Amino acid sequence: QVQLVESGGDVVQPGRSLRLSCVVSGVSGFTFSNYGMHWVRQAPGKGLEWVAVISSDGNNKYYADSVKGRFTISRDNSKNTLYLQMNSLRAEDTAVYSCAKDRHGSGWDYFDYWGQGTLVTVSS
Amino acid sequence: EIVLTQSPGTLSLSPGERATLSCRASQSVSSSYLAWYQQKAGQAPRLLIYGASSRATGIPDRFSGSGSGTDFTLTISRLEAEDFAVYYCQQYGSSLPITFGQGTRLEIK
Repeated sequence: QVQLVESGGDVVQPGRSLRLSCVVSGVSGFTFSNYGMHWVRQAPGKGLEWVAVISSDGNNKYYADSVKGRFTISRDNSKNTLYLQMNSLRAEDTAVYSCAKDRHGSGWDYFDYWGQGTLVTVSS
Repeated sequence: EIVLTQSPGTLSLSPGERATLSCRASQSVSSSYLAWYQQKAGQAPRLLIYGASSRATGIPDRFSGSGSGTDFTLTISRLEAEDFAVYYCQQYGSSLPITFGQGTRLEIK
């Protein structure tokens, strides 16, 4: 079993920045640094939108067009933690942001574990 | 970008009945890289099916997935009370972005 716990959500004004964190833990033998990780968001009353992925070693990162150039995904494998730095926030970024574990370490695959998410509200 | 369209938007059924949920892709999903997730209110999504038809660990065998190319189906053979939730399909094929369907809400009739 793997647990993912997000934090950092808040109410922020348009144009401001916010950093989200996702701490990942698992049963004995689980190695965070073996797996790619994703951020996914869900706007109020809407469906799921993939945001970004990072490879297990942190060297490869890919983004949805809607956040490219504004958001940065990163990880600290020594702390079993995934991050999402969000800059130049817009009202349309308002959503619950969840982290999800990829089945593989490189490339991307399906998500076998998800966190419950943290709410980001962008409003003046 | 591959657009996934799920139907119906809402499905009203009774416990014990069979549920059939559809997911149609705007272009072929390579190597059947299609997954299904279940999400209950206030909870994280749970992986049900990957590779279009493989059940994830711990998923009851009343859940089954089928399809290939552009047409995929999730079937729940006999609905139980805990199955009423929102279901999403996802494609994770060879090119980004990863995309999700808009969801099917399965509600108790």
